[in-house]
Amino acid sequence: KAGVTQTPRYLIKTRGQQVTLSCSPISGHRSVSWYQQTPGQGLQFLFEYFSETQRNKGNFPGRFSGRQFSNSRSEMNVSTLELGDSALYLCASSLAGRGNEQFFGPGTRLTVL
Amino acid sequence: GDSVTQMEGPVTLSEEAFLTINCTYTATGYPSLFWYVQYPGEGLQLLLKATKADDKGSNKGFEATYRKETTSFHLEKGSVQVSDSAVYFCALTLPSGNTGKLIFGQGTTLQVKP
Repeated sequence: KAGVTQTPRYLIKTRGQQVTLSCSPISGHRSVSWYQQTPGQGLQFLFEYFSETQRNKGNFPGRFSGRQFSNSRSEMNVSTLELGDSALYLCASSLAGRGNEQFFGPGTRLTVL
Repeated sequence: GDSVTQMEGPVTLSEEAFLTINCTYTATGYPSLFWYVQYPGEGLQLLLKATKADDKGSNKGFEATYRKETTSFHLEKGSVQVSDSAVYFCALTLPSGNTGKLIFGQGTTLQVKP
C-alpha cells in the first residue's frame, strides 16, 4: 500500500507570495491533518479535514487555509508569505482521526526569502 | 491547556546502553499517548502507542507504559543501536472533540555512538 505523498518536497518563495502544498493520503484514509514543524516552535497542528470538511483548526492566522477533495486528497495554502512561515509542513492521514494512528508523509520544506 | 513535556536533548549514548526519554503530559480526560520517531530528512513514524492507563506499548525493542497516576509515558530501550539515532517525539490525542489533532512534545534528539 502506498504511503502518504506530499508535493512538492522543496519550495522556495519570496515574502508576499502565496503557496499551495499538496497531500495524497493512504488509500481508504478519510482524515488528513497538517502540521508545521520549526526549530523554535516544534510541531504544531494546523488543521484537520475529514470527508471534505474542516473538523478542527489550530491556532494559526487566517493566511493558512486548506481544503479536501472528494478523493481525500488535501491542499493547504499560505497567502502573503512571511519569513516566519519557513518550515517543514507535514501531512498525516488516518482512517477517521479520533485517536487512530496517523501516518505521516515526508513533508514539504518551504523556504521564504 | 493540554500539553506534552519531554526531557531536553540531545541525549548521547554508547551502543548497547540503556535508554530512557522522559515524557509527561497535561490533559483533560483520558488521552491516547504516542511515541513518534523522525529520522533525518524524513517524516514521522509511529513507534508505539497506548490508549488507556497501565497499557504498555512496545515495538522494535522500545517500550513505554501509560501511567495515569504520574501522567507519564517514558520511553525505554534496553540496548540502543547506532541506527536508533533520531529525534523522538512524545504526543497525545484527546479522547473527544479534538479528533485527529496530535499535541507534540518538543522532541528529544538521540545520538548513539559506536
